[in-house]
Amino acid sequence: GAVVSQHPSRVICKSGTSVKIECRSLDFQATTMFWYRQFPKQSLMLMATSNEGSKATYEQGVEKDKFLINHASLTLSTLTVTSAHPEDSSFYICSATGTSGRGGTGELFFGEGSRLTVL
Amino acid sequence: AQSVTQLGSHVSVSEGALVLLRCNYSSSVPPYLFWYVQYPNQGLQLLLKYTSAATLVKGINGFEAEFKKSETSFHLTKPSAHMSDAAEYFCAVSVGQGAQKLVFGQGTRLTINP
Repeated sequence: GAVVSQHPSRVICKSGTSVKIECRSLDFQATTMFWYRQFPKQSLMLMATSNEGSKATYEQGVEKDKFLINHASLTLSTLTVTSAHPEDSSFYICSATGTSGRGGTGELFFGEGSRLTVL
Repeated sequence: AQSVTQLGSHVSVSEGALVLLRCNYSSSVPPYLFWYVQYPNQGLQLLLKYTSAATLVKGINGFEAEFKKSETSFHLTKPSAHMSDAAEYFCAVSVGQGAQKLVFGQGTRLTINP
């Protein structure tokens, strides 16, 4: 079964509003979570690396004030798209890994993804 | 910097035929390599990974991949395609144990013809 869950799976919002996407590890402590963005028929682009209790590390070209990432607990990371615009429409995917239990195998577990559509 | 290149954005095979998805990597250090599968509107599922042990790696769903350092390749194969194999496949490279930060290839869409 799924070990990483994202919510919502689909969200439609108006331009200028903010949207929060949650990524939860269901049966392990996720010390590190990653957020990816995937454009239609393209590969995944790493946006940021999130370590529990620390500020996220953003990849070059990703606006940290635009894409707010919070990883306040070992089972939850959130991505907030602030003041969303149509060009932010995309498929956002999180992944998680940990240091113990199922997450301690070194494998990355991916969420189901969240499709954001900004009107 | 590490990178992967997947040759062929779209591969089409007949059901029961051999599946071959190509991946070449570039890495200045011994790489860890992965193949993931993505079904429509879903996240990624790990098929198999190479972490410097056996060069021929067997994964789930009958897939396997062979690490060839001399060719900097990590091609994915399956002897006999099944309709359920139709999906997007991504090759990825990481550095260091634990599959932390991954760089993905462009992806290859596999279509299975009845």
